[in-house]
Amino acid sequence: DTGVSQDPRHKITKRGQNVTFRCDPISEHNRLYWYRQTLGQGPEFLTYFQNEAQLEKSRLLSDRFSAERPKGSFSTLEIQRTEQGDSAMYLCASSSEWTSAYNEQFFGPGTRLTVL
Amino acid sequence: AQKITQTQPGMFVQEKEAVTLDCTYDTSDQSYGLFWYKQPSSGEMIFLIYQGSYDEQNATEGRYSLNFQKARKSANLVISASQLGDSAMYFCAMREAPYGGSQGNLIFGKGTKLSVKP
Repeated sequence: DTGVSQDPRHKITKRGQNVTFRCDPISEHNRLYWYRQTLGQGPEFLTYFQNEAQLEKSRLLSDRFSAERPKGSFSTLEIQRTEQGDSAMYLCASSSEWTSAYNEQFFGPGTRLTVL
Repeated sequence: AQKITQTQPGMFVQEKEAVTLDCTYDTSDQSYGLFWYKQPSSGEMIFLIYQGSYDEQNATEGRYSLNFQKARKSANLVISASQLGDSAMYFCAMREAPYGGSQGNLIFGKGTKLSVKP
């Protein structure tokens, strides 16, 4: 399977705990995005990487959220001191400025986070 | 203000018939891109079709076509010959291209749930 993969697919945690999600993009894609999707809404942009550089962050990304892409390949999204409002689907997407005509983003299956 | 508006929370269509899903957008940029994605119950977003703001012809991809009316700022998705497997959420999205760049994030609407009846 050469698509975008995310791990874990589901995470249940207690309020106040830290969680970390991983995203493995399509191998030749240099651009990586994180989105959050709550029930009944479309995905909302969180942050964007080009190679290892984090170039854009949404104001939705509070100080409790941090994302990394240390070697320009996989990325991690960490949420510290989780709150119930963090419960959502976290989607990762990747794209390539060289191989796709429209720079369309390819999405992974998402990580569903439930904060109790 | 919402940048992408999808006014149809849910739609029903009979199998083999065509259906139009509405999308209007708001931007002051001259250069932008419009996307439609399908999200089945499994959760993964699947890219369907793209329309660039400077494209003069409506985009088509198999059974999908995009009815692009720039002056009205609308980008409706038309699915022809609906199939049971088309039942899913459909999202319209826009990418604004600041400074002429193409890496911008997507802004999504709230989606339309399409149900195809046998």
